[in-house]
Amino acid sequence: QVTLKESGPALVKPTQTLTLTCTFSGFSLSSSGMRASWIRQPPGKALEWLARIDWDDDKFYSTSLKTRLTISKDTSKNQVVLTMTNMDPVDTATYYCACTVADAYYCDYWGQGTLVTVSS
Amino acid sequence: QSALTQPASVSGSPGQSITISCTGTSSDVGGYDYVSWYQQHPGKAPKLMIFEVTNRPSGVSNRFSGSKSGNTASLTISGLQAEDEADYYCNSYTSSSTLYVFGTGTKVTVL
Repeated sequence: QVTLKESGPALVKPTQTLTLTCTFSGFSLSSSGMRASWIRQPPGKALEWLARIDWDDDKFYSTSLKTRLTISKDTSKNQVVLTMTNMDPVDTATYYCACTVADAYYCDYWGQGTLVTVSS
Repeated sequence: QSALTQPASVSGSPGQSITISCTGTSSDVGGYDYVSWYQQHPGKAPKLMIFEVTNRPSGVSNRFSGSKSGNTASLTISGLQAEDEADYYCNSYTSSSTLYVFGTGTKVTVL
């Protein structure tokens, strides 16, 4: 059974750097075909794709946020990490990690999400 | 990269069929068969309902179906049930540098 769980701070101050961790179980991040994404959703608003990392360490970023995002993985811990610099109140959102193991352009496994509030 | 356009809301009575549209461009919806649909109940994570335009994951009811014509994809829910009341989002691969784009979201109400 594939499960994902996000963890990180619930509150960050403006200008700080956010670090979120997604811990995977039920499969290996190094398995061929694995693609893991971060997606966020501001309260009451639509989903927004942020970044993706693949089993072969290829990385992709949202054009609008590319300069602020870094995605990485630690296969020994089966974790994917997202950092976002220079946080602003508009970055307040629920952050989801999601993945596929099918080398595909969709996410069939999702974490429960973690709400991050940016406020001084 | 602009979000894909969806109607803000769609409603129907139990047993009826409804269709949600998702309009993009030739760089995303129209150019690739990589459209997926997600259902999201309040306070919950999205759930994959349709992938690659027409395919249902195992366990998803066959009341859900997907299609595409030109730059517009559609999700049809037949035999509408109370449990279908949720937000629905389309998503597409895009050849622009941002890789993926989501739709604006549609709230489905069962009357």
